[in-house]
Amino acid sequence: DTAVSQTPKYLVTQMGNDKSIKCEQNLGHDTMYWYKQDSKKFLKIMFSYNNKELIINETVPNRFSPKSPDKAHLNLHINSLELGDSAVYFCASSQGFDYGYTFGSGTRLTVV
Amino acid sequence: GQQLNQSPQSMFIQEGEDVSMNCTSSSIFNTWLWYKQDPGEGPVLLIALYKAGELTSNGRLTAQFGITRKDSFLNISASIPSDVGIYFCAGGKAGTALIFGKGTTLSVSS
Repeated sequence: DTAVSQTPKYLVTQMGNDKSIKCEQNLGHDTMYWYKQDSKKFLKIMFSYNNKELIINETVPNRFSPKSPDKAHLNLHINSLELGDSAVYFCASSQGFDYGYTFGSGTRLTVV
Repeated sequence: GQQLNQSPQSMFIQEGEDVSMNCTSSSIFNTWLWYKQDPGEGPVLLIALYKAGELTSNGRLTAQFGITRKDSFLNISASIPSDVGIYFCAGGKAGTALIFGKGTTLSVSS
C-alpha cells in the first residue's frame, strides 16, 4: 500500500504546454504539500493545504495552480511551461506542519 | 527566506566508519527532522526530534535536538554500503512548512 502516490513518475513536454501532476495520500493526514527539488537537490516548499484549504503559497509563479478536491488529494496544474520549470516535484503529507512529512516518490518534469 | 546550514556538503568514507553531520540555523525551531533520499525516490524520514536536548536513536543512527533549538546533528555508526544517499535535515515550526537543509551526500566504499 503506497502511502503517498503521485502520477506520473516522469513527464516530458514542450515549452508552452499545460500539464498536471496528481497526488493522493491514504494516511488520513490533514495537511498536504508540494515541494520542488532543483538540480542541486534543494527542496523548496511551494504550497500547503490543510483540509482542502490553501495555507501556504510561497513566491511561486501564478502559472502554478494547486487544487485539492478533498483532503486526500492535492493536484498541481502548470500552465505555459517554461524551461526553468524542469525539476522534480514532490507531494507530501503530514498530521501538522511540524510533524514528520511522508513524501511521494516524485515526478520528474522535463521541459524541452 | 530562512535557511538551514547543513554540513558537510559531501562525505566519502570507508565501510565501517562512523559519520557525523549537522545543521545550524539563526532561527529557533520546534522540531528537527532527518531524512534520507535514495536516487529516484522521495525523502524518507529517519528520525524526528520534538524537544530541545532530546537524543534519539534509530538502529545505527543517533540524532540530537540542540539545547538552543537552533541546531541538530545526525551520527551514523559503522556505515554500510546501503547508507549511501543524500541526508537532509529539516526544521519545523508552527504555521510554516518544513525548511530543508541543502543535504549531505554520503558515499561509502567497501
